[in-house]
Amino acid sequence: DAGVIQSPRHEVTEMGQEVTLRCKPISGHNSLFWYRQTMMRGLELLIYFNNNVPIDDSGMPEDRFSAKMPNASFSTLKIQPSEPRDSAVYFCASSLAPGEFGDTQYFGPGTRLTVL
Amino acid sequence: AQSVAQPEDQVNVAEGNPLTVKCTYSVSGNPYLFWYVQYPNRGLQFLLKYITGDNLVKGSYGFEAEFNKSQTSFHLKKPSALVSDSALYFCAVTTPSNTGKLIFGQGTTLQVKP
Repeated sequence: DAGVIQSPRHEVTEMGQEVTLRCKPISGHNSLFWYRQTMMRGLELLIYFNNNVPIDDSGMPEDRFSAKMPNASFSTLKIQPSEPRDSAVYFCASSLAPGEFGDTQYFGPGTRLTVL
Repeated sequence: AQSVAQPEDQVNVAEGNPLTVKCTYSVSGNPYLFWYVQYPNRGLQFLLKYITGDNLVKGSYGFEAEFNKSQTSFHLKKPSALVSDSALYFCAVTTPSNTGKLIFGQGTTLQVKP
């Protein structure tokens, strides 16, 4: 079992550039979550998909952030334009069942984003 | 609003001694409670969870946690700590009505010294 796969593992970019983070959930999992981890704010949920449909995007900080899940095995989180305050570790997680049932979320290794 | 508190930023314990990492929560409704561990430059690894049933939950690597509804707590415990247990530990909560959104505590660094 490969687990949740994220790419790239590290991304360094300059302010104003577009950044795309990628996630492949565990095969067969129906729910996908994007989290952001910072020292100041800890771990916070950005968006949650169930069966490829966005269910809760209330954590997306602003319009510069967008997420898609075109199929069950791939999701992207895009930041355009990026700003230094977006620097963080971005985690993708997946679960077999919808979050409402308390199913375990399994996390990927994260993407460390640095915006200069 | 839902919240999780981990009152200790760091817990220090000697190898072989029992350890406790504290967690309290505040939710409306029945909680689903989770513990995750994070090693440096790694993702979060699931340790254990409480959904319903027995208040004492056993998980990976010899860890266990006890759900206490009256004290709204879910403390993580291990009878005998290992140096390799040194890591950052997160408690998280959600409820059936919260669309699976996990609310995380700020994390507790566990330092086990030989």
